[in-house]
Amino acid sequence: DAKTTQPPSMDCAEGRAANLPCNHSTISGNEYVYWYRQIHSQGPQYIIHGLKNNETNEMASLIITEDRKSSTLILPHATLRDTAVYYCIVYIIQGAQKLVFGQGTRLTINP
Amino acid sequence: DAGITQSPRHKVTETGTPVTLRCHQTENHRYMYWYRQDPGHGLRLIHYSYGVKDTDKGEVSDGYSVSRSKTEDFLLTLESATSSQTSVYFCAISAPLNPGQVITYEQYFGPGTRLTVT
Repeated sequence: DAKTTQPPSMDCAEGRAANLPCNHSTISGNEYVYWYRQIHSQGPQYIIHGLKNNETNEMASLIITEDRKSSTLILPHATLRDTAVYYCIVYIIQGAQKLVFGQGTRLTINP
Repeated sequence: DAGITQSPRHKVTETGTPVTLRCHQTENHRYMYWYRQDPGHGLRLIHYSYGVKDTDKGEVSDGYSVSRSKTEDFLLTLESATSSQTSVYFCAISAPLNPGQVITYEQYFGPGTRLTVT
């Protein structure tokens, strides 16, 4: 079973910030929080990851709470091309990374 | 895309026939994975490999076998296909992020193979 809980769907207006929450209350100290997204029937695509500090890259920002039990992925200026299923996954990065996908959040960006 | 290709991209086969799906990578990554995805669900890990001839089972390995005789190729075989194995199959590799710093990894996924067992 997935170790994360996400809302099944969200909507956001184009140009606004999309904030996708994820609960991972049983996360262990050496597990990272990773976000992937899947557009249509393509293979999932890596977005961002973090351990305990907030992270930002060219695609998104990741905010992890101090107790690490939840996180939020932020797409600062959502576009129609950001419509996808977003997966929050926690795992240990040493060795084989056996990802356990939940059902993710289906994000729809509306014009 | 980390140089990952999958073949075939689409296949229709009959129940009871053997099927082999191929995943090919061009960058000599150590770890390779096979996932399946069914409608309305996330991906589930079937098998993975941590080197040539080194493989292990994932979450849903029953009915599947794998082989890795070369670094670049990871084969998934359905010995006797069943309708429950109709799915989209994704191959993935682990690639390092930020080489030279604390190394973390991301997985790159192939384009997928849509398999229909009739």
